[in-house]
Order: sequence, then C-alpha cells, then structure tokens
Amino acid sequence: QSALTQPASVSGSPGQSITISCTGTSVDVGGYNDVSWYQQHPGKAPKLMIYDVSYRPSGVSDRFSGSKSGNTASLTISGLQAEDEADYYCSSLRSSSTYVFGTGTMVTVL
Amino acid sequence: EVQLLESGGDSVQPGGSLRLSCAASGFAFSNYAMNWVRQAPGKGLEWISGISGSGGSTYYADSVKGRFTISRDSSKNTLYLQMNSLRADDTALYYCAKRLAEGGPNFDYWGQGALVTVSS
Repeated sequence: QSALTQPASVSGSPGQSITISCTGTSVDVGGYNDVSWYQQHPGKAPKLMIYDVSYRPSGVSDRFSGSKSGNTASLTISGLQAEDEADYYCSSLRSSSTYVFGTGTMVTVL
Repeated sequence: EVQLLESGGDSVQPGGSLRLSCAASGFAFSNYAMNWVRQAPGKGLEWISGISGSGGSTYYADSVKGRFTISRDSSKNTLYLQMNSLRADDTALYYCAKRLAEGGPNFDYWGQGALVTVSS
C-alpha cells in the first residue's frame, strides 16, 4: 500500500503562510472527504489538527485550515509561529475501510 | 481525561511473537473504533490495523495481514495487537489511537507508544 505523497520539507518565516500538499489517487484522497492532518513534534505522539478535509478539533488554532481538490489535499498554516515547527502528516481513508498516511513534511520556521 | 497506555513492547528475534496491550480510560471504550499505527525509527507513520467499537469488524494493512491480529476486551477497556512471524521491518514504535468519529482516519487521542525491536 503506497503512501500518499507530500513534499519532504516546507519552510517559512514567522507570520507567513505556508501550504503543504498531499497527493493521492481516486481510491483514497480523491474518492472520499475523509482526509486528516497530524502534527508531530520530536519524541511526541501525533496530534490531530484537521479531519474530514477541513474540520478542526476543539482546541486547534484557526491558523490551521484544510482543503481538497481532486486527488490532492492541502493544509495551510497562516501566521506561522515558531511552535509550528514540526512534522506534518496527511492521512486518508482508502477503499476497503483501510487508511493510509502521507510521507510526511518537515516544517521549518526560518 | 482520556488516557491510552500501551504496554508489551520488547525486543524479539525474527519469527517470534509479541502481544501489545493498550489500556484505555476516560471515555466509553466500547463506543469507539480503535486503531494501531506504527512508526519505524526516523520514518513516517503507518496505519496497520483497526477494529470497530463492537469488535465485530477488523481491518489490516497489507503489510501485516495474516500475521497480526487486533482485538479488544470491553470488560477490561483494553485493546490488543497480537503480532506473529515478526520481521526486522516490523521494528517500530507502536501507537494505539482512538477514532473521533465514523469515517476517516480522525484519531483524536494517542498513547505514548510501545517500542518493538525485531533483531537477531
């Protein structure tokens, strides 16, 4: 089961906006509105940031937003802050009730 | 407060077996699907298995199908992962994760992970 494709790294200056892409196929990202995004700091468990493409769990900053077009989902972080420096993973429902994660993106705040 | 506490991680030889446990508290365990996600050292996340709230439906990634078995005991609020025929590429930190709602991979709570090392 091949992973969803994400850029290896994305960087931005404090206050800027960045967007992370997550490309799949019609059997996962393109076929369902079941895409989630996770933030993972070193040595910590992942944290759910976005689910169902664009919904934020309680307590997640509104600086994080999600969208989807065709087979590609995107996570945008606006007003970039030092604490946003982390690894980010997308995930999608795939056919047969299985899930797949993306390759992961390292976000660096310059 | 929701808590997930994995245990059972260990070092094992190739071909061996291991059972991981995930003790859950702070929520109605039987109402929520649960999942196992692993992360090899320095690598990304990999979903490997899920189970419905009732335990009646189970799902596996191709990489573990036929070797791993997920189960749950609602009387003990505990999730399990039985791992057989372990291989070196099964070496990873294994997380249990609670699903927020029906549908997608919306895992809102995670444990701290259990380390499994497969090596001769």
